[in-house]
Amino acid sequence: DQQVKQNSPSLSVQEGRISILNCDYTNSMFDYFLWYKKYPAEGPTFLISISSIKDKNEDGRFTVFLNKSAKHLSLHIVPSQPGDSAVYFCAAVAQGGSEKLVFGKGMKLTVNP
Amino acid sequence: DTGVSQDPRHKITKRGQNVTFRCDPISEHNRLYWYRQTLGQGPEFLTYFQNEAQLEKSRLLSDRFSAERPKGSFSTLEIQRTEQGDSAMYLCASSFSSGGDTEAFFGQGTRLTVV
Repeated sequence: DQQVKQNSPSLSVQEGRISILNCDYTNSMFDYFLWYKKYPAEGPTFLISISSIKDKNEDGRFTVFLNKSAKHLSLHIVPSQPGDSAVYFCAAVAQGGSEKLVFGKGMKLTVNP
Repeated sequence: DTGVSQDPRHKITKRGQNVTFRCDPISEHNRLYWYRQTLGQGPEFLTYFQNEAQLEKSRLLSDRFSAERPKGSFSTLEIQRTEQGDSAMYLCASSFSSGGDTEAFFGQGTRLTVV
């Protein structure tokens, strides 16, 4: 059973426009959420995170929104740049214990010049 | 410290052979994780260490898999009698747990191909 779902496998946007990547989760015990970016043949790179006590976290061009009641989070990238083209993974953690990451399947973002 | 380091980057082995991978975490990190990623999937948790103690193992980790973290520093992941289904990217991550929100940092992975 997929506890973290990224239902859209891919997204294509024009350079300069906004990219919105969505993620849904089912486990109410998750209380910390992260986005990772991955290029081919490399490991995931941490991008931004949000704790369940917040509904928004911003870092430069990247903003993550959390809607706990809907068990939904989204990553906004604005403006999108060609270098943002990669696979983006949403991950969730239930803090305390191992704090292992539970990942979605990923979404491939393509930013066209 | 340049981050989490994994060796080798690529490994091709014949079915039935044993393989061992190494991970060197970020030096001050007390937690170390192994994940496995197959095509079209996100990374899946395999096991985790807090210092030198292996505290959790996934059901994905069959008895052909063993991991160690002697002295709470580097870690090794060994797969015995490899099968074609073991072909995947094996990822190591480390983090420092202090009770607050903390992110895990990943190495570049070891790509295993079993032929």
